[in-house]
Amino acid sequence: GENVEQHPSTLSVQEGDSAVIKCTYSDSASNYFPWYKQELGKRPQLIIDIRSNVGEKKDQRIAVTLNKTAKHFSLHITETQPEDSAVYFCAVGLGNEKLTFGTGTRLTIIP
Amino acid sequence: DVKVTQSSRYLVKRTGEKVFLECVQDMDHENMFWYRQDPGLGLRLIYFSYDVKMKEKGDIPEGYSVSREKKERFSLILESASTNQTSMYLCASSPLTGPQRNEQFFGPGTRLTVL
Repeated sequence: GENVEQHPSTLSVQEGDSAVIKCTYSDSASNYFPWYKQELGKRPQLIIDIRSNVGEKKDQRIAVTLNKTAKHFSLHITETQPEDSAVYFCAVGLGNEKLTFGTGTRLTIIP
Repeated sequence: DVKVTQSSRYLVKRTGEKVFLECVQDMDHENMFWYRQDPGLGLRLIYFSYDVKMKEKGDIPEGYSVSREKKERFSLILESASTNQTSMYLCASSPLTGPQRNEQFFGPGTRLTVL
């Protein structure tokens, strides 16, 4: 089955700096790559996703880049703010709606 | 607004008990999922369902079963609870078609403790 690796497991950045989280996957046929954010005590929520026919997608301060050849994709958060502190999960999907999640990155924004 | 609800936020059970976790979604989604979330392991898929009465095993189905008798309801069953099933259980649903296809909407979670 699909294998998803996510790094780093923890990340601390100064407020206003950028944060980057990376994921690699094993199945070259995978075609859907979402990122979920889970704030403390809350449910995971989709923040951005990308499909295999697009290399980059941006939504205000967050962006996702996809490199299908290398089988990796990354989440970029610019101008970080305290409310960006959360656990972020990448996931990988292949047509049949099932997602395989990474192990998560705990992002802490230092004021 | 999509709403996914779970029957309990916190549950404490004894080893060997049969445990039912209920999930209900109100958006007519075809797909429903059960995950468990453990520190450092992320979200691991237990079972999922594409339609009423249909189910497929996820990555960690051992010790669990599911039931989907109605489209909006997906139940997770622990036949004989064990201490290693102490975890946070998350239910999710997603539509089969439309602009939100693939996007999974999660419930608030059930924190299950097995003593």
